[in-house]
Amino acid sequence: GDSVTQMEGPVTLSEEAFLTINCTYTATGYPSLFWYVQYPGEGLQLLLKATKADDKGSNKGFEATYRKETTSFHLEKGSVQVSDSAVYFCAQNTGNQFYFGTGTSLTVIP
Amino acid sequence: EAQVTQNPRYLITVTGKKLTVTCSQNMNHEYMSWYRQDPGLGLRQIYYSMNVEVTDKGDVPEGYKVSRKEKRNFPLILESPSPNQTSLYFCASSFRQGSYNEQFFGPGTRLTVL
Repeated sequence: GDSVTQMEGPVTLSEEAFLTINCTYTATGYPSLFWYVQYPGEGLQLLLKATKADDKGSNKGFEATYRKETTSFHLEKGSVQVSDSAVYFCAQNTGNQFYFGTGTSLTVIP
Repeated sequence: EAQVTQNPRYLITVTGKKLTVTCSQNMNHEYMSWYRQDPGLGLRQIYYSMNVEVTDKGDVPEGYKVSRKEKRNFPLILESPSPNQTSLYFCASSFRQGSYNEQFFGPGTRLTVL
């Protein structure tokens, strides 16, 4: 069935380091792909999205490219900040349902 | 302010005692959904609703009920809660179901069933 697999955490980086969080998906159709972010004690917020192959979603310095050939949607940021510390969820939408990954906890230390 | 609200935010109850978690949105959204978040499992969709009086099962509907009598409200009902329903629950809504529509999440309800 449809699913999302993302990189296990937790991830700890120093400020200004490069970030990659891997995400792959399985889908019967042509899903839309999302990254959501969850700050401590809060609900999820949409970070970025891509709706078709080769689309690049970007927001707040984060980027992810929809790769149909590798069924991937890896999240990247060139220089992380302490304020980026949060849990990141990859998700896909096929039909009427959403499927989320298990989440990757990121801690950025000064 | 556009938002999704959930009540209560925290709840401790005992096995078998019926409970309802309310969800309300003020954005006139058609699509609403309930998720549970568990360590190591991420978010899993329980039920969703495409519009008033239209609901459908997600991935983990067992032990839950929902209703959508009004567009703004989508309560989650646990008729006979069990300890395996201890979890963090999120309600979400979007303007319409579709890949271009962002889901807005509520703040979460932490439920403990003893």
